[in-house]
Amino acid sequence: AQSVTQLGSHVSVSEGALVLLRCNYSSSVPPYLFWYVQYPNQGLQLLLKYTSAATLVKGINGFEAEFKKSETSFHLTKPSAHMSDAAEYFCAVTPGFGNEKLTFGTGTRLTIIP
Amino acid sequence: DTEVTQTPKHLVMGMTNKKSLKCEQHMGHRAMYWYKQKAKKPPELMFVYSYEKLSINESVPSRFSPECPNSSLLNLHLHALQPEDSALYLCASSSTEGNTEAFFGQGTRLTVV
Repeated sequence: AQSVTQLGSHVSVSEGALVLLRCNYSSSVPPYLFWYVQYPNQGLQLLLKYTSAATLVKGINGFEAEFKKSETSFHLTKPSAHMSDAAEYFCAVTPGFGNEKLTFGTGTRLTIIP
Repeated sequence: DTEVTQTPKHLVMGMTNKKSLKCEQHMGHRAMYWYKQKAKKPPELMFVYSYEKLSINESVPSRFSPECPNSSLLNLHLHALQPEDSALYLCASSSTEGNTEAFFGQGTRLTVV
């Protein structure tokens, strides 16, 4: 079975500072990994995905993530935080063969300090 | 068109009511999903339809009844719900060819009174 663990349910960073949101995965097969963002009272929007191509994945809004098999990690980063980045972020994993069992981490709420 | 449209956006219903949530997509996706999300929690998978057939039911109570009338539409029929069923219900769709992401709708905020 696949699972993801997000370390830190709340992260606060100053505007302009580095954003780092942590995600570690557990999978018996090569995983497919995703980061989604959710703004209040809205659905989920895909930020980026890893599907076994490049290990450094660039997404929307200046976010990127690096797949590290040796560390079973897929941490999300952004060099300079913006006020509009304040939201809930979910790491998610599926088995390598399809999307039917998309499993989410517990989420990290990102707060941006002016 | 990369949208998943859910209606209504908000719904308040009594415990004896019958209501339906609707979801529509026109991306040609043949997999569609219902998720339930409680406040400050991640989405939890309820049902998966693949090629209009129910492929996964995550032991959801029978008061939730999904229906997939065609490849673009997904409904969730609600009957005799409990207050603890109040949540954000999210619909999603994805391609079944290759590994692509799931596209989510904006959700229906359901309150059971």
